[in-house]
Amino acid sequence: SYELTQPPSVSVSPGQTARITCSGDALPKQYAYWYQQKPGQAPVLVIYKDSERPSGIPERFSGSSSGTTVTLTISGVQAEDEADYYCQSADSSGTVVFGGGTKLTVL
Amino acid sequence: EVQLVQSGAEVKKPGESLKISCKGSGYSFTSYWIGWVRQMPGKGLEWMGIIYPGDSDTRYSPSFQGQVTISADKSISTAYLQWSSLKASDTAMYYCARGVYSSSSEGLRYWGQGTLVTVSS
Repeated sequence: SYELTQPPSVSVSPGQTARITCSGDALPKQYAYWYQQKPGQAPVLVIYKDSERPSGIPERFSGSSSGTTVTLTISGVQAEDEADYYCQSADSSGTVVFGGGTKLTVL
Repeated sequence: EVQLVQSGAEVKKPGESLKISCKGSGYSFTSYWIGWVRQMPGKGLEWMGIIYPGDSDTRYSPSFQGQVTISADKSISTAYLQWSSLKASDTAMYYCARGVYSSSSEGLRYWGQGTLVTVSS
């Protein structure tokens, strides 16, 4: 079955830039989506269609795509950005999957 | 304001049936896909399936095909997730969420608050 691979954890100091990657064979042909989830809360969509930002999401969140890897970049990380981040996409048949998630720690 | 309000927490025994709900408001219910996502305790998100209430087109993840049934009643703007025979391994938080835009069956923009299902003898 199709898998999206994310690093289990990323750590960054406040004000620095965090980059979270997601790899999958179908990513060159399928859009990626990114979600932020804080403890005890429902996920929040922060990036859609690789690089689009929903209204209300801070500009410091951005997304990019290169080959089989998509990247969520958080510029000028703030303490409130500490959360789990999940990528989501589909395989060539349209079956949707989530990545395993990345815990972002703000040092 | 777009809102998805899910039914309350459930405690059930193995073998029992269950149907949880997700009521949409603040938008045209029939024009957006609604997906269901499972999150087991301490684990990541899992895509279960999605339904287009306008015509009840439903797509299941292979992992959940045959294990659950997704449906919708557009007359009351409500989507459902149901089990015919629960197992202890169905213990999880279940979220419903609406597509980003009307043709999107992938990205989920607006989320319900979640329904905690506990299955224990």
